[in-house]
Amino acid sequence: NAGVMQNPRHLVRRRGQEARLRCSPMKGHSHVYWYRQLPEEGLKFMVYLQKENIIDESGMPKERFSAEFPKEGPSILRIQQVVRGDSAAYFCASSPPNRGDSPLHFGNGTRLTVT
Amino acid sequence: AQKITQTQPGMFVQEKEAVTLDCTYDTSDPSYGLFWYKQPSSGEMIFLIYQGSYDQQNATEGRYSLNFQKARKSANLVISASQLGDSAMYFCAMREGMDSSYKLIFGSGTRLLVRP
Repeated sequence: NAGVMQNPRHLVRRRGQEARLRCSPMKGHSHVYWYRQLPEEGLKFMVYLQKENIIDESGMPKERFSAEFPKEGPSILRIQQVVRGDSAAYFCASSPPNRGDSPLHFGNGTRLTVT
Repeated sequence: AQKITQTQPGMFVQEKEAVTLDCTYDTSDPSYGLFWYKQPSSGEMIFLIYQGSYDQQNATEGRYSLNFQKARKSANLVISASQLGDSAMYFCAMREGMDSSYKLIFGSGTRLLVRP
């Protein structure tokens, strides 16, 4: 039973380029969360999605960042016109529905470096 | 206001000894869940243990136990018989409400170093 799959594992972008991060949740999980982790810091919530719906985007920057979880295919976190401050580890997590005691299952993260 | 507070940026422990990592939380919701995760240097997030706000007993999972003091709003992680492989960052997290659709809020973490 595959876990949460994130790709790529490492991504290097020049300032001004676009970054696209992908996440496939665990089988049977319909909730997807994206978190950002700066070096030596904790995980900061960005967005929570279900299929075709953004449920909570309270942690998303207002500009340049967007997320989707289409009916078919992985969830995508998209960062347009990247800046050096976007360099971080981006983690995707998933959970099953209706299980309040269920932890979030995390992928291995995508480490974005903006040069 | 800080929802989850981990006041120990770094901790040392001697191999085979026990160590307690502190976590306090703030919520007005009567239903909540508390989680601990381990993040080794390789970077992945590993779930360790869960405590629900209505659970009568402290949670235990192998060498991990949770010292849950509801009135004090603390949920400290106890690791017994420390091993070198326990060296990692440890994060406390909280879910407000008992619906799995609620996000986890993380603390800033504690870096644990186990000395041989």
